[in-house]
Formats: sequence, structure tokens, C-alpha cells
Amino acid sequence: AQSVTQPDIHITVSEGASLELRCNYSYGATPYLFWYVQSPGQGLQLLLKYFSGDTLVQGIKGFEAEFKRSQSSFNLRKPSVHWSDAAEYFCAVGNNFNKFYFGSGTKLNVKP
Amino acid sequence: DVKVTQSSRYLVKRTGEKVFLECVQDMDHENMFWYRQDPGLGLRLIYFSYDVKMKEKGDIPEGYSVSREKKERFSLILESASTNQTSMYLCATAPTSAAGELFFGEGSRLTVL
Repeated sequence: AQSVTQPDIHITVSEGASLELRCNYSYGATPYLFWYVQSPGQGLQLLLKYFSGDTLVQGIKGFEAEFKRSQSSFNLRKPSVHWSDAAEYFCAVGNNFNKFYFGSGTKLNVKP
Repeated sequence: DVKVTQSSRYLVKRTGEKVFLECVQDMDHENMFWYRQDPGLGLRLIYFSYDVKMKEKGDIPEGYSVSREKKERFSLILESASTNQTSMYLCATAPTSAAGELFFGEGSRLTVL
């Protein structure tokens, strides 16, 4: 069965510190992988996506993610967090436009 | 830019009322989706549509129906709202392509009293 696991419900980091949000997936075929961000009261915005090729993908707002097939992981990273990064982050997997599976989300708090 | 507009950002309804949530997109995407978002559960697919008048059930269709009479508009209908349908509802669209991504509206927060 397809599933996405985000093991961290809440994470707090200090402004300027590095960030890594974890995502593990279970999917039968080669997945398409996504990270979305949701600010309070808003819809989801795509941060980055992986379809094929280079396993390290760059996204908007200075985020990057690395696809590791052997670990079934697609962790999101940022070298230096800004206060405006406080939001909820969702990992998603899919192999076509009709079926996406979302993780339960990780809420990021940023300490000044 | 893709624009996905959900007609109501906040609604308060009473148990048993009929509720319509509307979603309109301006990018000519074939595929439209309704998700429900609850804390700790992520996004769960209610229904999706890949063409006008076509619909398919998602993971949690019970208590919901949908309508897609025009390509740009996808409506979610709660025939008789219940308190357990209090939630954030998100509409999304995607083009028909080998590697599509979802484009989301800002969400409709429904409270059923």
C-alpha cells in the first residue's frame, strides 16, 4: 500500500540554524515526490518536486531535498532558517496526476 | 500563474443543512480535486474529476457528492452536514501530463454546529 510518513509532528529551530524535515514513503513504482508548504489559513504551495534525474533537487525559498531510493526517503533541508519559514510542511508522493498521497505534515516553529 | 479560487473562505452551518463549496480555476486544467485537511491526518482525497461530468471517489467520499458541469468549476456538496464534517476543505487542480503537480486554492474552513 502507498503511504507517506513524516515522523516529526512538530519541530522547533532557532533562526539561522539548519533544518531537515524527514519524509519516508512506501510506493510500488518509481515515485514522483513533492514538498508543499502551508502558511496559516492558506492553501498549499509547491516548494519542490522530484520526477527523475539528479537526486538532489532545488526549490523555492532556498529549500532543497534529496531522493534516496535505498532509504525510501525524500528529506527536505535548508541551511539557514528564517522566521518567515514557520509553517506546516507536507511531503507527497504520486506517479500520475490522479493519485497523490500526503504525509500528516510537520509544523515548523522558528525561535528568534 | 494558475489561479484556483474557492468561493468561501469561512462558513458556519447547522447540522442537517445542505452545503455547497465551489472551486473555480482559470488555467484550463483537466483534473480537479477536493481534499479534506484535519490536524494530524494530512490531506485526504474526497473526490476528483478528470473531465467535465466525470468524477471518481477518493479515499473518503462518504457524506459528500460533487458536480462538474463546466471544465473550470468543481463543486463539493454536503447533502446533510454533520459535525464530523467540520474541517478545512482544499480544492486543487492539475494538468493532464506525465508528471503533473497539484495547484491548490486557499481553502474553505467549514464549521458545522
